[in-house]
Amino acid sequence: GIQVEQSPPDLILQEGANSTLRCNFSDSVNNLQWFHQNPWGQLINLFYIPSGTKQNGRLSATTVATERYSLLYISSSQTTDSGVYFCAVNNAGNMLTFGGGTRLMVKP
Amino acid sequence: SQTIHQWPATLVQPVGSPLSLECTVEGTSNPNLYWYRQAAGRGLQLLFYSVGIGQISSEVPQNLSASRPQDRQFILSSKKLLLSDSGFYLCASRWGGGTGELFFGEGSRLTVL
Repeated sequence: GIQVEQSPPDLILQEGANSTLRCNFSDSVNNLQWFHQNPWGQLINLFYIPSGTKQNGRLSATTVATERYSLLYISSSQTTDSGVYFCAVNNAGNMLTFGGGTRLMVKP
Repeated sequence: SQTIHQWPATLVQPVGSPLSLECTVEGTSNPNLYWYRQAAGRGLQLLFYSVGIGQISSEVPQNLSASRPQDRQFILSSKKLLLSDSGFYLCASRWGGGTGELFFGEGSRLTVL
């Protein structure tokens, strides 16, 4: 099956800093999503982005499908950005495959 | 967009007791439904998925079972819980097959003692 790798596994930022999270996948995909899991466990949809670039406030994402990676940019980070960020992809059938996540801690 | 409700939110059960977690979906019809478990605070493991009423596919052999008695209802069950069943269980819904956007419920945290 398709492999999904996220980097870095852990990231500590000072409030106000910018960061880039990466998601590499091993095969072509027809669906890619980014999620944020907050400290209470809730998984929040950030982007549905099988290709191209999208922006939502301080967050933006770019997927380069031909090179099999996606990037999530967080600008001017805030403590509420803390949590785990997951990338998930679908290349066939009905199942999304999740990466291992990036655990982000933003310090005040 | 879809709204997924899960209950109970928190559950503490003794080893050997039965389990029933429920998930209902609003805002869509004929969705694909999924049960995930998160045991270590990071990785999500797919347990079951369903493409329609009464249709269940299992991804891993385990002590749990799933049922879909109605189009927008998905139930996770066990007859006898094990310690290893502890974890955070997430129900998810997707309309539109493989290219649809996946949405998660709030989760149910199970502790087996």
